[in-house]
Amino acid sequence: QVQLQESGPGLVKPSGTLSLTCAVSGGSISSSSWWIWVRQPPGKGLEWIGEIYHSGSTNYNPSLNSRVTMSVDKSMNQFSLKLSTVSAADTAVYYCARRSAAGTIDFWGQGTLVTVSS
Amino acid sequence: QSALTQPASVSGSPGQSITISCTGTSSDVGSYNLVSWYQHHPGKAPKLMIYEGSKRPSGVSSRFSGSKSANTASLKISGLQAEDEADYYCCSYAGSSTWVFGGGTKLTVL
Repeated sequence: QVQLQESGPGLVKPSGTLSLTCAVSGGSISSSSWWIWVRQPPGKGLEWIGEIYHSGSTNYNPSLNSRVTMSVDKSMNQFSLKLSTVSAADTAVYYCARRSAAGTIDFWGQGTLVTVSS
Repeated sequence: QSALTQPASVSGSPGQSITISCTGTSSDVGSYNLVSWYQHHPGKAPKLMIYEGSKRPSGVSSRFSGSKSANTASLKISGLQAEDEADYYCCSYAGSSTWVFGGGTKLTVL
């Protein structure tokens, strides 16, 4: 059973960079899966942020593309998200998850709340 | 890339059936058989309920079923139970290696 756990600062200042890491256990990050980030602002729906393959290939939401960077660390079996120039609109619960080729997001982390505030 | 359109809320009594729609465009829902549905209880991780439009993962009750017609996908829940009360999200491939979620539907079991 694959398990994912998000970690990172819960508070980020406006115009700063949000950085989160997702540790994967119970499976290899080098499997034939994409590793994704999804967020949910308070009171709103889910938003796909982007995804990364173990090779380093990435796909990002066009609306966030200029601010998003994802990376993978195979030695640590984890992947990361950086979102630059954040504002209050980026306050959300951030989830990391695994997506299969068929698009099924079958394993999710518990989510971590990141608040953007001075 | 716009969010798929779902009703904000639906409700039903125990034992009844409800259907949640998910409307996209010919660029996403209408073009690919890659719609999935997730059940989300607040404070918990979302759970996959339906994938590839109509397939159920192992362990998901047969009371949940999915379908698609043109640009609209649907999730039907039969024999409503109290534990079905949750938020439900659809998700579709949107082309160009991107994915899009619906705005979410809050299901209330009366």
